[in-house]
Amino acid sequence: QIQLGQSGAEVKKPGASVKVSCKPSGYSFTAFYLHWVRQAPGQGLEWMGWINPHSGGTKYAQNFQGRVTMTSDTSISTAYMELSSLRSDDTAVYYCARDYKESQLWLIFDYWGQGTLVTVSS
Amino acid sequence: QSALTQPASVSGSPGQSITISCTGTSSDVGSYNLVSWHQQHPGKAPKLLIFEVSKRPSGVSNRFSGSKSGNTASLTISGLQAEDEADYFCCSYAGRSTGVFGTGTKVTVL
Repeated sequence: QIQLGQSGAEVKKPGASVKVSCKPSGYSFTAFYLHWVRQAPGQGLEWMGWINPHSGGTKYAQNFQGRVTMTSDTSISTAYMELSSLRSDDTAVYYCARDYKESQLWLIFDYWGQGTLVTVSS
Repeated sequence: QSALTQPASVSGSPGQSITISCTGTSSDVGSYNLVSWHQQHPGKAPKLLIFEVSKRPSGVSNRFSGSKSGNTASLTISGLQAEDEADYFCCSYAGRSTGVFGTGTKVTVL
């Protein structure tokens, strides 16, 4: 079955960086775009951007331009999302999610990771 | 890109039907049939309910249906059940390979 396994919870200080990993299983890693979505406590979902694991191509939401970097390592079938210059309002659960059409970008998410809680606190 | 607008809360009694709206603009919902809906129970990851406006993934109950008119998409839950109590989010393709979510709606089963 298809699963997206994410790394564990992180606690960071303001100004630091965090790197969250996402390791899909059950399908070909390079065949589907992967997205990152975050959810602040008690708030809605916010799309952050995507990575094409095959080409390494990325696209970031305007709100995160300059602070987020999405990468992938095809040798271990793992995607990463790194967010820098952390602020208290970056405290959120960060999800990776798969785009549902093989080799296409439709911004429709059929499988989600379990989420990674990132807490930013001094 | 501004979030799509959803009502903060909708409620209904068991067996009733409810509809959640998702209002965007001509740059997102109005221009693309790439609207999806997700259900999220507390502490859980979202689950895809509807994609491409009105299609259901395998395994999703036919009590969930989607539609779109102009810049507004809608999710209808018929035969409301206690297990439907959750948060619901719409999402749309917004052009230039970007996406946007709705503000979210909390559904309460009375």
